[in-house]
Amino acid sequence: DAGITQSPRHKVTETGTPVTLRCHQTENHRYMYWYRQDPGHGLRLIHYSYGVKDTDKGEVSDGYSVSRSKTEDFLLTLESATSSQTSVYFCATGVLGGTDTQYFGPGTRLTVL
Amino acid sequence: GQQVMQIPQYQHVQEGEDFTTYCNSSTTLSNIQWYKQRPGGHPVFLIQLVKSGEVKKQKRLTFQFGEAKKNSSLHITATQTTDVGTYFCAGPGYGQNFVFGPGTRLSVLP
Repeated sequence: DAGITQSPRHKVTETGTPVTLRCHQTENHRYMYWYRQDPGHGLRLIHYSYGVKDTDKGEVSDGYSVSRSKTEDFLLTLESATSSQTSVYFCATGVLGGTDTQYFGPGTRLTVL
Repeated sequence: GQQVMQIPQYQHVQEGEDFTTYCNSSTTLSNIQWYKQRPGGHPVFLIQLVKSGEVKKQKRLTFQFGEAKKNSSLHITATQTTDVGTYFCAGPGYGQNFVFGPGTRLSVLP
């Protein structure tokens, strides 16, 4: 597997608080993605990045923002967490975007009370 | 928008039985990928199919891409307990992103 780490791995927070999840890669992949995984929905794309400071929205971007100031780091921020954002969040990377393999990180389990 | 569907949602088989999951897209795909996620783990890439009618094999796994490039299947022969997990198909979406199917969860009874 590609060198992808996510932090924290588990987090419990309260409604209304800001939360930032970090994805770090050592593979120098151009593309990075944030997904959420919920029962019955599979993996849904939140945001993705196609280069430093280049990002775009995915299918379920409302309530989330992202930043990528370095190739290796992709941050996902929940500005004001809600219970509907309780989920498992996966980061993924890829070399060539939509025609290429994606490599997934281990995931972050987020619980919003 | 583009949708990718998978059936069945769940499949329980006895060890040694065969298993098949089907993936259908609402649009023609330039390629399709399959991933496996073990319980508690993260998705891991299995294979990519690109050509119309393509068939690829990995040991007991056989992957097919439909002639119209709108559907695909994954067949596992003689399942083993190590096959347990959720199998996802994924295709290119808008821009450089992907659209994943909801997955088929396979359980194998020893």
